[in-house]
Amino acid sequence: DSGVTQTPKHLITATGQRVTLRCSPRSGDLSVYWYQQSLDQGLQFLIQYYNGEERAKGNILERFSAQQFPDLHSELNLSSLELGDSALYFCASSGRQGTNTGELFFGEGSRLTVL
Amino acid sequence: GNSVTQMEGPVTLSEEAFLTINCTYTATGYPSLFWYVQYPGEGLQLLLKATKADDKGSNKGFEATYRKETTSFHLEKGSVQVSDSAVYFCALTLLIKAAGNKLTFGGGTRVLVKP
Repeated sequence: DSGVTQTPKHLITATGQRVTLRCSPRSGDLSVYWYQQSLDQGLQFLIQYYNGEERAKGNILERFSAQQFPDLHSELNLSSLELGDSALYFCASSGRQGTNTGELFFGEGSRLTVL
Repeated sequence: GNSVTQMEGPVTLSEEAFLTINCTYTATGYPSLFWYVQYPGEGLQLLLKATKADDKGSNKGFEATYRKETTSFHLEKGSVQVSDSAVYFCALTLLIKAAGNKLTFGGGTRVLVKP
């Protein structure tokens, strides 16, 4: 158990809809990262937050947005969904105060299916 | 930019066979290197890591040596078990910011070990 919790584990929705994925980081971790894992594209970095602020942005579509709240949990919002957005979305955390080993701790992922 | 290239799978082996998964990287700085493993239906778990040249990471019978001269971090295991069937990801990060850094992943290599 990594200590990172993601909900929901599975989500099925229709094209054009909007969904929100939630992540609770490991206790004490200040950074949250979102990754998308598609069948043919491996793990793509989407975005990183540190202590409530956006720190790095990757291949995140304009239809997607994220935020990190004061209690450090994070949400990834996906809107105007398309079939190609079907993927496994991972949240990871790191950065307990005073530590930076480079290791990320991953949740079990949220599997999104867009029909 | 930074990138990781690893051999494509699937790799199919018999139990007790020797496993090698090649991984090479390109980085603008001096990265830390990781191997993560994803068992079926689970999130990613850190398998091993190395932070400087000639370091050898090891865990659960797996080993990988950080080779700066060949920019490689190949994963090896002398005798695989059925329970080693999983997807293996090579990754790197540049530890520049105290806020933490994203991991850049290779495409993943699926390994299937048959009894």
